[in-house]
Amino acid sequence: SQQGEEDPQALSIQEGENATMNCSYKTSINNLQWYRQNSGRGLVHLILIRSNEREKHSGRLRVTLDTSKKSSSLLITASRAADTASYFCATRHLNAGGTSYGKLTFGQGTILTVHP
Amino acid sequence: DTAVSQTPKYLVTQMGNDKSIKCEQNLGHDTMYWYKQDSKKFLKIMFSYNNKELIINETVPNRFSPKSPDKAHLNLHINSLELGDSAVYFCASSPLPAGSGNTIYFGEGSWLTVV
Repeated sequence: SQQGEEDPQALSIQEGENATMNCSYKTSINNLQWYRQNSGRGLVHLILIRSNEREKHSGRLRVTLDTSKKSSSLLITASRAADTASYFCATRHLNAGGTSYGKLTFGQGTILTVHP
Repeated sequence: DTAVSQTPKYLVTQMGNDKSIKCEQNLGHDTMYWYKQDSKKFLKIMFSYNNKELIINETVPNRFSPKSPDKAHLNLHINSLELGDSAVYFCASSPLPAGSGNTIYFGEGSWLTVV
């Protein structure tokens, strides 16, 4: 399966702490994206990192990508109670011809709970 | 100002019924999708349309039939509903179907419960 796998499945921390979530995948990718889903809501795009990039920042978010290990991590610094949500990685894979599929494959997500 | 809107948000129906979920996007995107999220939160693509043409059709029972009257709308019709169809169905859109840098914009989901 091309599906990404997030780790841990659930993470519980205190406000102000950093939260790190990991994503592993199996086949070569064109890009990897992180999405957030609040309870009962749709997914919202957070950040995209391309296969030729190693690190990207957006506000309190830092994403790394290691294509040799087929893994990515999402770091949320100085977490807030409002960061409580599920976080999904999604990968856009390359086909045998080296071009990108049109679909984005999602993992199962990490449920992050930030306690005030 | 909702970018991707889908209706209904909640739907409870009996086994064997036929139901539809409607989706509209006002982002001017060419590509629309239907995703299914099960109870374990796995999100799987079902269909994708680009400019009213079907481009992705995953292994989905024939009871599920998408219809795209224009590129701003993608409806999902489900025949002979089964208990296993209970899930959250998300409509989504993106500017283009393939290539790098395309993020997907999701609707708020439609919670389908089959009893």
